[in-house]
Amino acid sequence: GQQVMQIPQYQHVQEGEDFTTYCNSSTTLSNIQWYKQRPGGHPVFLIQLVKSGEVKKQKRLTFQFGEAKKNSSLHITATQTTDVGTYFCAGKSGNTGKLIFGQGTTLQVKP
Amino acid sequence: DAGVTQSPTHLIKTRGQQVTLRCSPKSGHDTVSWYQQALGQGPQFIFQYYEEEERQRGNFPDRFSGHQFPNYSSELNVNALLLGDSALYLCASSFRGQGNIQYFGAGTRLSVL
Repeated sequence: GQQVMQIPQYQHVQEGEDFTTYCNSSTTLSNIQWYKQRPGGHPVFLIQLVKSGEVKKQKRLTFQFGEAKKNSSLHITATQTTDVGTYFCAGKSGNTGKLIFGQGTTLQVKP
Repeated sequence: DAGVTQSPTHLIKTRGQQVTLRCSPKSGHDTVSWYQQALGQGPQFIFQYYEEEERQRGNFPDRFSGHQFPNYSSELNVNALLLGDSALYLCASSFRGQGNIQYFGAGTRLSVL
């Protein structure tokens, strides 16, 4: 079945450093979504990418969708302590309503 | 505008028992999906309900069943509980026409002893 893998599993950075997490799917995706889950919280939707090669920015966050629509990345510039949490990518194949989540990348930011 | 609400927040059961979890979707949403999230893992899709029918199902046994009511709220039932069913159960609602963007509730933490 469809699998979505994320790397790295954990990342510890000094405040002000950049951070990137990568997401790879075993199948071509119709779209990819990114969510953030704070410690003890629930996943919160960040963004959806639909087009091949699409790049979207939200302030210090940059999201990319690969040309083959099988991979994606999230890059945070100049991390802040408020960026702490686990970032999940979630992919959808075809017309299925099934959203498959990666295992997440947990970001720790040292002040 | 209330978001997605789930009840109860915490639950402790013993092996072999049955449990029912409840979810009210965000106002205006017509689709409810259920996920199981084990500690340190991503949410795993259990199933999705739309128009009171199960539309999609993940890789979960028949012990996991659900229901959607005319007001779009939903229940997740798990029979014959196993220790491995201990997890955070998340309900997410969406509007069919908005690309499946999931709005999650705070979840129900289930512990099976």
